[in-house]
Amino acid sequence: QSVLTQPPSASGTPGQRVTISCSGSSSNIGSNTVNWYQQLPGTAPKLLIYSNNQRPSGVPDRFSGSKSGTSASLAISGLQSEDEADYYCAAWDDSLNEVFGGGTKLTVL
Amino acid sequence: QVQLQQWGAGLLKPSETLSLTCAVYGGSFSGYYWSWIRQPPGKGLEWIGEINHSGSTNYNPSLKSRVTISVDTSKNQFSLKLSSVTAADTAVYYCARGFYDILTGSRGMDVWGQGTTVTVSS
Repeated sequence: QSVLTQPPSASGTPGQRVTISCSGSSSNIGSNTVNWYQQLPGTAPKLLIYSNNQRPSGVPDRFSGSKSGTSASLAISGLQSEDEADYYCAAWDDSLNEVFGGGTKLTVL
Repeated sequence: QVQLQQWGAGLLKPSETLSLTCAVYGGSFSGYYWSWIRQPPGKGLEWIGEINHSGSTNYNPSLKSRVTISVDTSKNQFSLKLSSVTAADTAVYYCARGFYDILTGSRGMDVWGQGTTVTVSS
């Protein structure tokens, strides 16, 4: 049982916009910033969004993040086949540990 | 370009101690947190803990009694020890670089190792 709650799956067709939600509590998302990680099959996770809505260098602007209260979301616009991956939200918890969501498997139909 | 290279024993028996090391190449060791994360087969990510260059640590409360993370700044390496392993500790273990922006409170893990598969079986 993960501390942050994500839908187990999401899907979309090429070109579509999809969103993935992440729900937490006042001790994590409510008081700290949110990151999103993308994990392609068989590879290590990659930082996709940090500080709620910032993209590291090299991440396409098709990816965007937002946060409101104790929830956050990741949006992917102009969906591409290479976006098919697992996506994880994460946040620091005030109990001094990093917590993750259970992950969302994105399928491009 | 910072790279993390990790290694350690891949097959353990129940009750043994897991030991992994991660070396940092091509970047500064100070000013960051150095983390361990694991992923059981077919499951999600679980943060194990972190250490900074001066040896200050934070651990996942659920693993704290069995985990020790240490640092060797002379070699730009950090290590993980997890004692009394069981089959539930079977996972891919990743090391990662964690950043922290004191001005914004933003933190995250931006460089990851290649992962080490650890299997616990009798």
